[in-house]
Amino acid sequence: DGGITQSPKYLFRKEGQNVTLSCEQNLNHDAMYWYRQDPGQGLRLIYYSQIVNDFQKGDIAEGYSVSREKKESFPLTVTSAQKNPTAFYLCASSRGQGIIKVDEQFFGPGTRLTVL
Amino acid sequence: QKEVEQNSGPLSVPEGAIASLNCTYSDRGSQSFFWYRQYSGKSPELIMSIYSNGDKEDGRFTAQLNKASQYVSLLIRDSQPSDSATYLCAVKGRSSASKIIFGSGTRLSIRP
Repeated sequence: DGGITQSPKYLFRKEGQNVTLSCEQNLNHDAMYWYRQDPGQGLRLIYYSQIVNDFQKGDIAEGYSVSREKKESFPLTVTSAQKNPTAFYLCASSRGQGIIKVDEQFFGPGTRLTVL
Repeated sequence: QKEVEQNSGPLSVPEGAIASLNCTYSDRGSQSFFWYRQYSGKSPELIMSIYSNGDKEDGRFTAQLNKASQYVSLLIRDSQPSDSATYLCAVKGRSSASKIIFGSGTRLSIRP
């Protein structure tokens, strides 16, 4: 089955710890994205990558880091510098490069991060 | 002014009626428009995409786009209790590098 997987589903972090959220896709998509969603709010873009070994900051990149070493994988690290990390984290992918109009994004199931 | 605006709701519609969800956007050069459905605690699911002015129908769903008025809407015919969810409007700019901007969503409740 083609799709996007995220792990873990739930994650608990102590203050001062770094944690890494996994995102894998087997859709052969070039572009991948990380969003954060807080209760009752829309999605805010953290980082995105349109091609392997390249990524750009989104609107709220401070306190986060990413890597894109493989086309299928786009892990997100939430560092201790992120002051309010408790949120629902969503990974998405799309066909990406060269696709202007028909560039639909598809989402993984999400990771819910809670800081203790 | 927010880039993509939606009424947060809740919008309450009786079962079997038409639910109408609205969205306005600020970037006149936007090219692509999407509607996502998000059930509580779950991730967004793409239900409609529209790129040209006019209507696009898919089953019980109709997306309507009016670029001159910078307005996109989603109609759900014969509303079912399973349609109760938050509906997110998303808009993409004119270039291939443009990000998708999401609205905050409208919460829809279908009452039996």
